Amino acid sequence: DSGVTQTPKHLITATGQRVTLRCSPRSGDLSVYWYQQSLDQGLQFLIQYYNGEERAKGNILERFSAQQFPDLHSELNLSSLELGDSALYFCASSLGLADSYEQYFGPGTRLTVT
Amino acid sequence: AQKITQTQPGMFVQEKEAVTLDCTYDTSDPSYGLFWYKQPSSGEMIFLIYQGSYDQQNATEGRYSLNFQKARKSANLVISASQLGDSAMYFCAMRGYQKVTFGTGTKLQVIP
Repeated sequence: DSGVTQTPKHLITATGQRVTLRCSPRSGDLSVYWYQQSLDQGLQFLIQYYNGEERAKGNILERFSAQQFPDLHSELNLSSLELGDSALYFCASSLGLADSYEQYFGPGTRLTVT
Repeated sequence: AQKITQTQPGMFVQEKEAVTLDCTYDTSDPSYGLFWYKQPSSGEMIFLIYQGSYDQQNATEGRYSLNFQKARKSANLVISASQLGDSAMYFCAMRGYQKVTFGTGTKLQVIP
C-alpha cells in the first residue's frame, strides 16, 4: 500500500458526460501528479500540483482540469467525455518538487466511456 | 524536449538468473532524475529505484541496481536472481524541469 488513495476505483459513463476523480496523497506529501495510461498512448503525464498551485503541465486536454485543495487532496475533472478518454488514471504524490523525490502511485481509477 | 526509449517490448528470463532491462533517454535539462517502476498485472505502479543525474555511484535497492551511463544517456535496470513475482511490466521514467516522461515499458516474464 503506497498510502495514496484514489476514488472511485472504477467508473463507467457515457460520451459527453463529466466525471471527477479524487486523490488523497500520502501523509506529508505536498506534490500531486496526474497520469493517464491507455493502450495506445502509454503512460502520459497530465499535470502536477504543489501545495495547492499548478507547477507543471503535460499532455492534458483542454476538456480536462484539475485542482489541489488546502487539505492537499486533488481532483481531476474530465468533461465532454469521448470514447478515447477510456483509460486508467493514476494519481501520484511526492514529498516536494526536487527531481530526487520518488513518486508513490495510487491504485488508479479505471474510466470506461461508452 | 524529453524522451525515454525502451527498446525491448518483451523479455524472458529464467528464474534465479539476472536480467537487464534497457532504457535510454534524451533531455536538455542539466539536472534530472531517472526512475524505474514495476507494474504487475494487478495494475498498481510500484517504485523500484532512483538515480540522480549528478550521482556518481549507481543506485542499488536490494536485488535492483541501475546501470547509469551518463555519456551514453542510458539507465538500464538490472534485476539479480529473478523470481516468479518479478513478472510484470517495467517502466523507465525521467523527471526533468516541470516534466515527467515515461517509456513504453518492457514486459518481463520469469520462467520457472
